Amino acid sequence: EPEVTQTPSHQVTQMGQEVILRCVPISNHLYFYWYRQILGQKVEFLVSFYNNEISEKSEIFDDQFSVERPDGSNFTLKIRSTKLEDSAMYFCASSEGELRADTQYFGPGTRLTVL
Amino acid sequence: AQTVTQSQPEMSVQEAETVTLSCTYDTSENNYYLFWYKQPPSRQMILVIRQEAYKQQNATENRFSVNFQKAAKSFSLKISDSQLGDTAMYFCAFMRNNNNDMRFGAGTRLTVKP
Repeated sequence: EPEVTQTPSHQVTQMGQEVILRCVPISNHLYFYWYRQILGQKVEFLVSFYNNEISEKSEIFDDQFSVERPDGSNFTLKIRSTKLEDSAMYFCASSEGELRADTQYFGPGTRLTVL
Repeated sequence: AQTVTQSQPEMSVQEAETVTLSCTYDTSENNYYLFWYKQPPSRQMILVIRQEAYKQQNATENRFSVNFQKAAKSFSLKISDSQLGDTAMYFCAFMRNNNNDMRFGAGTRLTVKP
């Protein structure tokens, strides 16, 4: 069964550094998402992406964050200058079609640790 | 703003027994979607069951069923004949009809005991 994959599984970085988290959504899916989960807290929506542009974003998704689909398979989340509070699990998800509220399929997550 | 509340941080159940996980939500919307996701230890979240708010009939998927009470804004998950593989974090989630911003509850850690 097709799955969403994410790399790396764990990323350690110094505060102020840029990080890029990578995701490969399910191949025929059209909507892509990023969520994060700070340890012990809720899973929070960051951004959704459709047709090569952001369709929705939360208040968390400020100018430090950006997303990109650089080729036909990858979907990336970039954090320009990481802060300690960016330490979290970051989940990528994708959904199939143009129908709103299609089921979202999640990747295994990338654990980001900012030192 | 939409909020999702799961009031049970942890629950346990004996194998083969039935357990119910609670979820309440707050919204002024009339059309929306509700989901239960399961996150096994060290594995990704997978969808267990979903419910469209406009459907009165409660969704069921094999051993999993929901009790959707729209007026009470309650969406509980019942797991029948619990199996050891059901041990996981369970997240309740809400999505409005016109966007993809999914809101999650804090999760309930379920342990199925042999």
